[in-house]
Amino acid sequence: AQSVAQPEDQVNVAEGNPLTVKCTYSVSGNPYLFWYVQYPNRGLQFLLKYITGDNLVKGSYGFEAEFNKSQTSFHLKKPSALVSDSALYFCAVTPGGYNKLIFGAGTRLAVHP
Amino acid sequence: DAMVIQNPRYQVTQFGKPVTLSCSQTLNHNVMYWYQQKSSQAPKLLFHYYDKDFNNEADTPDNFQSRRPNTSFCFLDIRSPGLGDAAMYLCATRGTGANYGYTFGSGTRLTVV
Repeated sequence: AQSVAQPEDQVNVAEGNPLTVKCTYSVSGNPYLFWYVQYPNRGLQFLLKYITGDNLVKGSYGFEAEFNKSQTSFHLKKPSALVSDSALYFCAVTPGGYNKLIFGAGTRLAVHP
Repeated sequence: DAMVIQNPRYQVTQFGKPVTLSCSQTLNHNVMYWYQQKSSQAPKLLFHYYDKDFNNEADTPDNFQSRRPNTSFCFLDIRSPGLGDAAMYLCATRGTGANYGYTFGSGTRLTVV
């Protein structure tokens, strides 16, 4: 079965410290990988994607993610967290050529002053 | 700016009273999706259109219908809303080629009273 796992329900980090939100996937075919952020009562806001090319992808608001094929992971990172980064983060994958976007359960990021 | 627009942002409807949620896009994407999201859970795909071709998910209740009269607009009809249908409803579009990616609207928060 095709799936995305976000093993942490919540990640807590102090402002200014680096943050990592974990994501692993299981799909057949080439994975197209995405990260989205959601603020309360809002839609999903695109952060970054990996389709092909460099394994390190840089996205919006200083976020980046590294595609690791051998570990089937696509962890989201930021060198220095801001309080305003506190939100719900979703990792998603669509197998190459397949229409459906498969979401992880989401990870709530809390950045403390 | 090109975008996906959902109206209204908040909708209150009575138990059993039909309700329609709307989505429009200025991206000229040929694929449009409707997702249901409950209580900060992962979005759940209800159905999608590839141009005029309608694709229903196997577990989408018959109570949910959709219309896409043209490329720009897509509607979600809930024929007889129940309390369990209270959720955030997200519309999304998908681009192709160099513009590959999913763009989400801000969502409509549906309350059933």
